[in-house]
Amino acid sequence: AQSVSQHNHHVILSEAASLELGCNYSYGGTVNLFWYVQYPGQHLQLLLKYFSGDPLVKGIKGFEAEFIKSKFSFNLRKPSVQWSDTAEYFCAVNDDFGNEKLTFGTGTRLTIIP
Amino acid sequence: DVKVTQSSRYLVKRTGEKVFLECVQDMDHENMFWYRQDPGLGLRLIYFSYDVKMKEKGDIPEGYSVSREKKERFSLILESASTNQTSMYLCASSLGGRVQETQYFGPGTRLLVL
Repeated sequence: AQSVSQHNHHVILSEAASLELGCNYSYGGTVNLFWYVQYPGQHLQLLLKYFSGDPLVKGIKGFEAEFIKSKFSFNLRKPSVQWSDTAEYFCAVNDDFGNEKLTFGTGTRLTIIP
Repeated sequence: DVKVTQSSRYLVKRTGEKVFLECVQDMDHENMFWYRQDPGLGLRLIYFSYDVKMKEKGDIPEGYSVSREKKERFSLILESASTNQTSMYLCASSLGGRVQETQYFGPGTRLLVL
């Protein structure tokens, strides 16, 4: 069964610092990859997704993620974080194209200090 | 805008009670999902449905059942609530089809079982 690892449970950064959140998955075949974000008190929403093509994917609010197949990784990056990026971030993987079942990681809580 | 609504934001129930959690989406989506979200465990899929009256077990279906009588509505049922079912429950929907689609989430129902 697919598993998704997010090794950073809680990350604390100052505003303007650069961000990289790790995501690794276990399945070695073709995958679709997602990052979702949950701002305090809000719904979970899509940040970005990768299906195929350019392994560097750009999402909303200046976030990007790079798919590295050889490392089974899909790390999330942002060059300069803002206080409003404080949220919980979830990586998710789909490896069964007969349905749309997602396997989520355990999440990374990001706290940005003004 | 896709809208996924859940019948209650907060719910308190007693052990042994039958609990119904309702989810409605307004975008004619084929697929609907029920997750539970627990700190340190991320989101775990309970059940999903890709059509009316169709359902499939997710990763943690034990103690739960679902019902999808109409396309827009997907209900999660706890036949006999237990304290270990205290959690945040999230409903999601997606368009469906062969290409992976974004899942849109509701606001969640925080259930406390006493």
